[in-house]
Amino acid sequence: GESVGLHLPTLSVQEGDNSIINCAYSNSASDYFIWYKQESGKGPQFIIDIRSNMDKRQGQRVTVLLNKTVKHLSLQIAATQPGDSAVYFCAENWGEYGNKLVFGAGTILRVKS
Amino acid sequence: DAGVTQSPTHLIKTRGQQVTLRCSPKSGHDTVSWYQQALGQGPQFIFQYYEEEERQRGNFPDRFSGHQFPNYSSELNVNALLLGDSALYLCASSFWGGSTDTQYFGPGTRLTVL
Repeated sequence: GESVGLHLPTLSVQEGDNSIINCAYSNSASDYFIWYKQESGKGPQFIIDIRSNMDKRQGQRVTVLLNKTVKHLSLQIAATQPGDSAVYFCAENWGEYGNKLVFGAGTILRVKS
Repeated sequence: DAGVTQSPTHLIKTRGQQVTLRCSPKSGHDTVSWYQQALGQGPQFIFQYYEEEERQRGNFPDRFSGHQFPNYSSELNVNALLLGDSALYLCASSFWGGSTDTQYFGPGTRLTVL
């Protein structure tokens, strides 16, 4: 079915450490992937995206890696800060026009000071 | 530059009632998508509007309907509310330019059905 992940795991990291959040996607035909950050009581906030013709993309303190062979996506956050504490979702782009997002359940990131 | 806005912020209804939620897209965007997010879960796609027509629909019953206006703003209507409709309803906007157009989300409307 349409599902990216089934759990809501929690990742606890120390401030200043690097964080790695993983995601398994389901549709091998998906050609576009996005990571969103959602803080409590807010809507998802765009972090970074990647197309299927790329393996890696870097932003400010964040890197997304895509492994199409095993349908796996990861988000790396460098020098994690308390403000990074949130739920992180990966989403894949489905649909006839390719812009229907299918989300996973998310990963909770807790940053310890 | 205003981002995606939604109203109201919170809403409490009783079973069987009808509700209308509103969304204004980000400036320059012409496409609006609606998502339902239950507590502790990821958002689920409801439907998408472009050029005032529903273009795609997720696995939601006909009780969920929508509309897009000439100024690109949109409404989500839910009839005959059920307890299970309690959720955060998210609106996302994008530009209808291809499969990689990023969707930007609003803050959501928290609907509670009693």
